[in-house]
Amino acid sequence: GENVEQHPSTLSVQEGDSAVIKCTYSDSASNYFPWYKQELGKRPQLIIDIRSNVGEKKDQRIAVTLNKTAKHFSLHITETQPEDSAVYFCAAPKTGANNLFFGTGTRLTVIP
Amino acid sequence: NAGVTQTPKFQVLKTGQSMTLQCAQDMNHNSMYWYRQDPGMGLRLIYYSASEGTTDKGEVPNGYNVSRLNKREFSLRLESAAPSQTSVYFCASSVRRQGAVDEQYFGPGTRLTVT
Repeated sequence: GENVEQHPSTLSVQEGDSAVIKCTYSDSASNYFPWYKQELGKRPQLIIDIRSNVGEKKDQRIAVTLNKTAKHFSLHITETQPEDSAVYFCAAPKTGANNLFFGTGTRLTVIP
Repeated sequence: NAGVTQTPKFQVLKTGQSMTLQCAQDMNHNSMYWYRQDPGMGLRLIYYSASEGTTDKGEVPNGYNVSRLNKREFSLRLESAAPSQTSVYFCASSVRRQGAVDEQYFGPGTRLTVT
């Protein structure tokens, strides 16, 4: 089955700096890699995802990169703002199913 | 569209009591899921329903049962609650296209405390 590891578990950055969160996965057949953001007391919400036929995807200040050979993918947030403070989860699918295995989360704090 | 809704928002149970968490979605999604979220452990899948009429175990199914009542509704039942089931429970749904994994939409969560 899939195993997803996420690092770091906590991350503090100054406002305006960049933040990078990394995940590794075990199943080489995995082909979909989403990132969810969860604000305090709220539900997780998808912020960006990437499929295995591309190596990078950007959406304004956020980007995801995928290295299929090394089996890892990363979330990049540039020009961080206080409202980026949240817990971020990566995920990867279980082979042959529509289920996702989630990483253990990264608590990002952006210091004004 | 309300999206994914859950009831109740909060619940306190005594050990041994039973309860059912309700979930409904109005997006005509095929697949529905129940997760629990504990500090430092991310989201762990309890049960899922790939389509109406089917249910399957996830990573942590012990102590729970589910019912896919119809396409819209998927309930989670705790028959005899234990303190280890204190957690935040999230329901989610997804379209489930053939051969593809899709975005999951989450409900607002139910915070359950078992004393």
